[in-house]
Amino acid sequence: AQSVTQPDIHITVSEGASLELRCNYSYGATPYLFWYVQSPGQGLQLLLKYFSGDTLVQGIKGFEAEFKRSQSSFNLRKPSVHWSDAAEYFCAVGASGGSYIPTFGRGTSLIVHP
Amino acid sequence: ETGVTQTPRHLVMGMTNKKSLKCEQHLGHNAMYWYKQSAKKPLELMFVYNFKEQTENNSVPSRFSPECPNSSHLFLHLHTLQPEDSALYLCASSQAGSSLSGNTIYFGEGSWLTVV
Repeated sequence: AQSVTQPDIHITVSEGASLELRCNYSYGATPYLFWYVQSPGQGLQLLLKYFSGDTLVQGIKGFEAEFKRSQSSFNLRKPSVHWSDAAEYFCAVGASGGSYIPTFGRGTSLIVHP
Repeated sequence: ETGVTQTPRHLVMGMTNKKSLKCEQHLGHNAMYWYKQSAKKPLELMFVYNFKEQTENNSVPSRFSPECPNSSHLFLHLHTLQPEDSALYLCASSQAGSSLSGNTIYFGEGSWLTVV
């Protein structure tokens, strides 16, 4: 079975600074990888996903993520954070075979200082 | 607009009430999910339906009763809940078994439930 770890519970950045949120996964084969964002009181919105091919994936709202098989990581990045990016971010890993239900991390809360 | 619609968005109910949460997906997916999200806790998968058949029930108390009449609609019937059941309930859908979509899950906006 797959698993996913988001090591940081909270991250604080200043507006305009760069951002990197960490995600590490465990899965024996090539995983399906996802990042979601959840604004307060809302559902989870898909930011981007990786299935295969180019390991650098572009998403919505200016986010990107890079799949690094050697490090079992799929970190989310943004070059310049806006105050509206303050939210909860969830990484998820899905199996390319077997159970089709992705496993979600515990989430990282992003705080943006003006 | 995510293609997954949940109603009501907010619900307050007493412990002896019976109420239902409704979810409808307009994405043509074959799988639907209920998740529970409580403060300070990870996302909890409650139920999964694939082609209207329940395939997952993660030890959810019987006071939560799901119903999936077709691949587009999912209900969560609530009966004699406890205050600790107060949470955000998220419905989701996906095209299970599709290598093209990678089983990408799409969520609704959620239903905030408060049990008093």
